[in-house]
Amino acid sequence: NAGVTQTPKFRVLKTGQSMTLLCAQDMNHEYMYWYRQDPGMGLRLIHYSVGEGTTAKGEVPDGYNVSRLKKQNFLLGLESAAPSQTSVYFCASSYRAGEQYFGPGTRLTVT
Amino acid sequence: KQEVTQIPAALSVPEGENLVLNCSFTDSAIYNLQWFRQDPGKGLTSLLLIQSSQREQTSGRLNASLDKSSGRSTLYIAASQPGDSATYLCAVPRAGTALIFGKGTTLSVSS
Repeated sequence: NAGVTQTPKFRVLKTGQSMTLLCAQDMNHEYMYWYRQDPGMGLRLIHYSVGEGTTAKGEVPDGYNVSRLKKQNFLLGLESAAPSQTSVYFCASSYRAGEQYFGPGTRLTVT
Repeated sequence: KQEVTQIPAALSVPEGENLVLNCSFTDSAIYNLQWFRQDPGKGLTSLLLIQSSQREQTSGRLNASLDKSSGRSTLYIAASQPGDSATYLCAVPRAGTALIFGKGTTLSVSS
């Protein structure tokens, strides 16, 4: 039982490049979330999904898109990366609105 | 708007001490509260989830309490050890789904 996994673990992008972060969970959870963590700002919600085929905006959604084509996967896309998107990205999942389980994070640097 | 505050921001104690970490929230209409541990450069590990109907939850040397009416939760760590050194985060659900986090208390336990 791997829990929540994230790919990749590290990435360096140049301004304007695009990339997709993959989150996978094997706990059959309905809900999945993407957060970013920045020094002094704490963890903030980017987007979330309450089921396959559904997505919703969180606190800081600008510059990101998401898709939930399969229940176990939640993808976070950056279409045109900016230095302000340098951060650590965490994915989480939960059975409905219960206890959340987090992945190990992706460290992204945009130069 | 829900806000979560954790005091103190940092705490240093000698090994063996019992200690209390504090978390306060502005909107008492929550249905649970979750405590996490985060080691440097790592993801978040869920420690305890307290449902709104509970007043306490225990796991090993950890005990978390919840007082909804006063908007407070405490995490009690008994007989602290150097391995307890980490950042401790509390979080409450936002609009029934994703979490709003405090900025954490960074604990250092010296041997």
